[in-house]
Amino acid sequence: DGGITQSPKYLFRKEGQNVTLSCEQNLNHDAMYWYRQDPGQGLRLIYYSQIVNDFQKGDIAEGYSVSREKKESFPLTVTSAQKNPTAFYLCASSNPGTARTNTEAFFGQGTRLTVV
Amino acid sequence: AQKITQTQPGMFVQEKEAVTLDCTYDTSDQSYGLFWYKQPSSGEMIFLIYQGSYDEQNATEGRYSLNFQKARKSANLVISASQLGDSAMYFCAMRPTYSGAGSYQLTFGKGTKLSVIP
Repeated sequence: DGGITQSPKYLFRKEGQNVTLSCEQNLNHDAMYWYRQDPGQGLRLIYYSQIVNDFQKGDIAEGYSVSREKKESFPLTVTSAQKNPTAFYLCASSNPGTARTNTEAFFGQGTRLTVV
Repeated sequence: AQKITQTQPGMFVQEKEAVTLDCTYDTSDQSYGLFWYKQPSSGEMIFLIYQGSYDEQNATEGRYSLNFQKARKSANLVISASQLGDSAMYFCAMRPTYSGAGSYQLTFGKGTKLSVIP
């Protein structure tokens, strides 16, 4: 079945360590996104990518890095520079829309990252 | 820049009643799409309904309808005949629909937590 796969579902990180969250899609979507969600909060955009080898910073990119070497894959690295990384991370993908077509984003199941 | 505002942090509705979740937006784009998503406690994001900025009729999908008032920049979600399974977070989102840099940026509001009372 087509969809987006995030792994792992739960991740524990020691302070000072970098960790990488995986996101793979087989929907042939051009765009991929990473969002951070804190308890009771909305989704804040970290990075997004419209095409391979290109990505843009979102609203809260500091302390995070991404790569887009393949259309299917958009891994997110949470670096030690991210001061408060404990959160729920959601990956999504979509295609562009036109004024009259629906192109909703599809989401993975999320990764819950906890710093210990 | 796009901005989505959801002013209701939490809402309660009696089972089988209708409920309206508010969403206002701000954008300088002429062509854009508006989306509503549902997030149950499991964390998955479920797409509910879409409205294009040039659509003249309000979108409907089963028990969900979108009350789109373009001049007021509002896109309220109406859920009819609420069910216990509707208890969840609901997010309004928007994205421009032009080509070029920034055209894929998908912006979310902070969400509304809906609780359906038996």
